[in-house]
Amino acid sequence: GENVEQHPSTLSVQEGDSAVIKCTYSDSASNYFPWYKQELGKGPQLIIDIRSNVGEKKDQRIAVTLNKTAKHFSLHITETQPEDSAVYFCAASWRTDKLIFGTGTRLQVFP
Amino acid sequence: KAGVTQTPRYLIKTRGQQVTLSCSPISGHRSVSWYQQTPGQGLQFLFEYFSETQRNKGNFPGRFSGRQFSNSRSEMNVSTLELGDSALYLCASSFETSGRVGQETQYFGPGTRLLVL
Repeated sequence: GENVEQHPSTLSVQEGDSAVIKCTYSDSASNYFPWYKQELGKGPQLIIDIRSNVGEKKDQRIAVTLNKTAKHFSLHITETQPEDSAVYFCAASWRTDKLIFGTGTRLQVFP
Repeated sequence: KAGVTQTPRYLIKTRGQQVTLSCSPISGHRSVSWYQQTPGQGLQFLFEYFSETQRNKGNFPGRFSGRQFSNSRSEMNVSTLELGDSALYLCASSFETSGRVGQETQYFGPGTRLLVL
């Protein structure tokens, strides 16, 4: 069935360093790849998304790259700040209202 | 615009009981999806409603059901609760335009945390 693998499960970085989270998906029909950030006690918040007709998308310190041939996509956060500490989820699907999520990455940014 | 709201935020039930959770989507959004989040299974899709009709369903037993009202508000119901149903239940909504079915961004609510004792 449809599956999304996400690595690493935990990631600790020093403030100012970069963080990279990687996901692979199994369903070749997937064409929508969002990334969500979830803080304690809150629901997931969309931080960036990419569709299959685009290879890379950037929004300030956040960027996502997509390799459809290899079925993997990555989240890059540069110049990390303590407020970036949260759990990050990738997802993949061929429709936005039925997302298949990865298992999450707990990012800790130390001052 | 107000975001997705879910009520109640916290709920404690005992095994065998049933529970109803409510979700109000962002104004103008007609698609509502429900997800279950647990430490062991992560975020899993339950079902999705549009115009009072269930369009998509995940792999959950029939004890999990939902409905949507004409104002797009949605409820989900879990009957005969089991300990394993303890989870954060998340609702998400999206604005759908003709010709772009299932292509619009989903926005999540804060969730309802259910504890089954």
